[in-house]
Amino acid sequence: GDSVTQMEGPVTLSEEAFLTINCTYTATGYPSLFWYVQYPGEGLQLLLKATKADDKGSNKGFEATYRKETTSFHLEKGSVQVSDSAVYFCALSTNFGNEKLTFGTGTRLTIIP
Amino acid sequence: SAVISQKPSRDICQRGTSLTIQCQVDSQVTMMFWYRQQPGQSLTLIATANQGSEATYESGFVIDKFPISRPNLTFSTLTVSNMSPEDSSIYLCSVTGTNTEAFFGQGTRLTVV
Repeated sequence: GDSVTQMEGPVTLSEEAFLTINCTYTATGYPSLFWYVQYPGEGLQLLLKATKADDKGSNKGFEATYRKETTSFHLEKGSVQVSDSAVYFCALSTNFGNEKLTFGTGTRLTIIP
Repeated sequence: SAVISQKPSRDICQRGTSLTIQCQVDSQVTMMFWYRQQPGQSLTLIATANQGSEATYESGFVIDKFPISRPNLTFSTLTVSNMSPEDSSIYLCSVTGTNTEAFFGQGTRLTVV
């Protein structure tokens, strides 16, 4: 079945550091890939997505590129801020129009000033 | 976008009892989903709530344990029946918007004692 393997946390970085959170997947067909973020006290929200190979999703300075050859969708940000502290979830969907999601385990990111 | 109101936000329940969680959306949506997030683990899809028909359950989840209602296109309930401590989790309602983006409620944190 479909699965998502995500870099385990927690991850602690200093402000302005470079961030990478690794995500790889196993899926039949051609999934859509997502990063969701959960800020403290808030619900899950979509951070970015990519729907086909070589697409790059980007939002709020975060980027992730859909790499079919390595089945990866790593999340990156060049300079993190304290406000980026949250839990990040990698997810995929293979049910276009249905959008049932398969999630990774989540990575808790803490940015210290 | 879709705004989801989920109630209750948290509860502590005695084993053997049942809890019904409500999910209200501010617009009509076709797809509604219920997820579970056990402590330290990822989100797992419980079922798809279908309007006008029985919910579609994922492997490992059954209707007797997690009965779901979907009386209209803006509302659904999930009941956790005959609870045990293993049911202690965060339960989340999710809907799919017109651009296939998934929106989530803030979750119901359930503790069974």
